[in-house]
Amino acid sequence: GESVGLHLPTLSVQEGDNSIINCAYSNSASDYFIWYKQESGKGPQFIIDIRSNMDKRQGQRVTVLLNKTVKHLSLQIAATQPGDSAVYFCADAVSGNTPLVFGKGTRLSVIA
Amino acid sequence: KAGVTQTPRYLIKTRGQQVTLSCSPISGHRSVSWYQQTPGQGLQFLFEYFSETQRNKGNFPGRFSGRQFSNSRSEMNVSTLELGDSALYLCASSLEGQAGGEAFFGQGTRLTVV
Repeated sequence: GESVGLHLPTLSVQEGDNSIINCAYSNSASDYFIWYKQESGKGPQFIIDIRSNMDKRQGQRVTVLLNKTVKHLSLQIAATQPGDSAVYFCADAVSGNTPLVFGKGTRLSVIA
Repeated sequence: KAGVTQTPRYLIKTRGQQVTLSCSPISGHRSVSWYQQTPGQGLQFLFEYFSETQRNKGNFPGRFSGRQFSNSRSEMNVSTLELGDSALYLCASSLEGQAGGEAFFGQGTRLTVV
């Protein structure tokens, strides 16, 4: 993940709409990418991951897209629900024994 | 199965004191990583332990240290606390390492230094 400054970007979406959260990473050698969701007072919770040999991976209501050319990662949430309100973090790592590097996060607010 | 357990959940310490935080990983997980989370800096990697050995270390001063026991439980210690050490400290456990697959986080220990 890449530092995006001190202020947390915020995305507000209407309930039922699709959400797209974007992330840029800086290490061109990274080959493992992951999205986490963090609700207030809780630790980050795994959402979905993807390896560099793929450019798209789908889960339940979520899709991760990876563009290695521009070092960009996105998380798409279909039919966003109030329970999706949280801070979302992307993270990347070089395979092997390297630690995850986290982005600063995006706060998603769902408007009922 | 039980998740990652961090104790204590909350701590208030005075500048200059030292503190020890504990993390019990998911059974069978050999990798434990520690992160510091602050509003200004986000999640910053402290260190990772694997099979009782420190495998990776982040860019933190030597006041931050850790260890892992044979049952994979891990502790981190911060000596000579500073006001800037106030943060949420998170640990994450995984089978073989964070880049090898899903890492599970605990709820964290909220440390306040006054």
